[in-house]
Amino acid sequence: DAGVTQSPTHLIKTRGQHVTLRCSPISGHKSVSWYQQVLGQGPQFIFQYYEKEERGRGNFPDRFSARQFPNYSSELNVNALLLGDSALYLCASSLRLAGLYEQYFGPGTRLTVT
Amino acid sequence: AQSVTQLDSQVPVFEEAPVELRCNYSSSVSVYLFWYVQYPNQGLQLLLKYLSGSTLVESINGFEAEFNKSQTSFHLRKPSVHISDTAEYFCAVRENNQAGTALIFGKGTTLSVSS
Repeated sequence: DAGVTQSPTHLIKTRGQHVTLRCSPISGHKSVSWYQQVLGQGPQFIFQYYEKEERGRGNFPDRFSARQFPNYSSELNVNALLLGDSALYLCASSLRLAGLYEQYFGPGTRLTVT
Repeated sequence: AQSVTQLDSQVPVFEEAPVELRCNYSSSVSVYLFWYVQYPNQGLQLLLKYLSGSTLVESINGFEAEFNKSQTSFHLRKPSVHISDTAEYFCAVRENNQAGTALIFGKGTTLSVSS
């Protein structure tokens, strides 16, 4: 079975632009989470979606938004990009929302804002 | 609030030497604990996890970690490392009464194994 897939792998944007990142979870997984990993730091939780509804949100500004589609894939949108948004964006899927279910991570999308 | 502290940002060791990567967490309730490994230009891979039961958990590639509730620690150990173990290691925590499976990560420890 395929793991978590993300697209694109790399992206370069200019300050003020908008970006959309995409994630497909492992088949059968209904929950998708997004994390931001700035160089030299651990991943920071941005959002969790389950059954197309937002179920958790980290400490990120409203410029960050996401959605989950009926096939459980997800998009992360970032508006008005800042230099500080440059990071590796990781998507993780899990079977269910809570309980003893671990998260499986994709390879990430590296976003560079110039 | 939950937090994770990885006490060493970099750990250089020679091949076949033992290694310990230290992790402490802060939480007022029971937690689940995880170690993830990240190889260059890749995503995170789960190395091992503590959910309940035995406080000593092992991975298939020789790593082990011990949950110590009194010390609020979950240190990762390997008795003999290989060059291929060179990677970034992240400790993560999740409170077992929280809604959702979101994780709180430490800042990571870079393990560099040389010959």
